[in-house]
Amino acid sequence: EAGVVQSPRYKIIEKKQPVAFWCNPISGHNTLYWYLQNLGQGPELLIRYENEEAVDDSQLPKDRFSAERLKGVDSTLKIQPAELGDSAVYLCASSLDRLNEQFFGPGTRLTVL
Amino acid sequence: GQNIDQPTEMTATEGAIVQINCTYQTSGFNGLFWYQQHAGEAPTFLSYNVLDGLEEKGRFSSFLSRSKGYSYLLLKELQMKDSASYLCALKAAGNKLTFGGGTRVLVKP
Repeated sequence: EAGVVQSPRYKIIEKKQPVAFWCNPISGHNTLYWYLQNLGQGPELLIRYENEEAVDDSQLPKDRFSAERLKGVDSTLKIQPAELGDSAVYLCASSLDRLNEQFFGPGTRLTVL
Repeated sequence: GQNIDQPTEMTATEGAIVQINCTYQTSGFNGLFWYQQHAGEAPTFLSYNVLDGLEEKGRFSSFLSRSKGYSYLLLKELQMKDSASYLCALKAAGNKLTFGGGTRVLVKP
């Protein structure tokens, strides 16, 4: 069974540029999560989807971050414009539902110059 | 809200035992998870405790005391491949998962 797929794995951009990350969850998983992980720290939840509905986006900086999961499967996280402080690893995870174990993708390492 | 504390780094010798402690404060409790994360890789699930006591899974065991707000992960017969970060994560009200900062374990020959 394929795991959570994320692309790109690495991205280097200049500040003020836009960037987008893509996530394909495990087949059949209804719940999808985006986390941000800074170096040496644990992941922090940005947004959680139940199917196509964003049910917890309280930690998402909405002035520059946006996310979508149009058909309740793949998801995209966008930053526009990127700032130096956005340099981090962006992890996507999925679970059967909100009660079950979360499976993580390999993450996208973003460097903003 | 939640507050989770775990040591930043631990060093142990191959073949030895290491215990990683995690203390927490929370307004709601729906379980405590341990994840392993190798450098540059995704966190992978190790264990889940929702009731007090010890859960054993091969070389790894996890313990929970809800009254003390305390958990530990025990790694036995350490191998070089166990060098990684170990993340304590709390599932609170609303089933939201909050992670600690992680404990980096270095296994030396």
